[in-house]
Amino acid sequence: DAGVIQSPRHEVTEMGQEVTLRCKPISGHDYLFWYRQTMMRGLELLIYFNNNVPIDDSGMPEDRFSAKMPNASFSTLKIQPSEPRDSAVYFCASSWTVYNSPLHFGNGTRLTVT
Amino acid sequence: GQQVMQIPQYQHVQEGEDFTTYCNSSTTLSNIQWYKQRPGGHPVFLIQLVKSGEVKKQKRLTFQFGEAKKNSSLHITATQTTDVGTYFCAGIRSGTASKLTFGTGTRLQVTL
Repeated sequence: DAGVIQSPRHEVTEMGQEVTLRCKPISGHDYLFWYRQTMMRGLELLIYFNNNVPIDDSGMPEDRFSAKMPNASFSTLKIQPSEPRDSAVYFCASSWTVYNSPLHFGNGTRLTVT
Repeated sequence: GQQVMQIPQYQHVQEGEDFTTYCNSSTTLSNIQWYKQRPGGHPVFLIQLVKSGEVKKQKRLTFQFGEAKKNSSLHITATQTTDVGTYFCAGIRSGTASKLTFGTGTRLQVTL
């Protein structure tokens, strides 16, 4: 079990640029989650998928954020255009269910927008 | 919406002292999970509690779920420097198909 794999680990970009974060969930997990972590707001759920279908995107901050899951082993979170306030650590997590199984988090992507 | 608060936000203890963090939900929870995040790391699942009044132990860690299923606690006996990190509770609102809501976290610092 390789765990949840995220890339890149660090991303530094200039305001206005497009940023794409990538995630490979644990094989067999039906649920995939994207979280954002900041000191001010803690861990926020942005969106989650069940069997590659977006179920709840109410946490996505605005239209600049979009997420896709084209297949069971890959998901992307895109920010276009990026802004300095998007600077945060973005975690991807996967699990068997949404209700009562543990979330397995990736190592995260630390995004800095200057 | 559902809110999950943890107190304290931060605690600094000397190695060997005990530590407790409390988790309080604005709504009744169907279950509660606890995670630990080391500095610079990612949250790692520790345990899940489901039943009212449930108590579970993992070595020096004791987890409790309140009778009303609206609060929970994590107690660490005789802390060690390896316990350093932020502890999060996370719960799902009872009777709904809602997602896991994470608490605000308690950061624990342990010094020799």
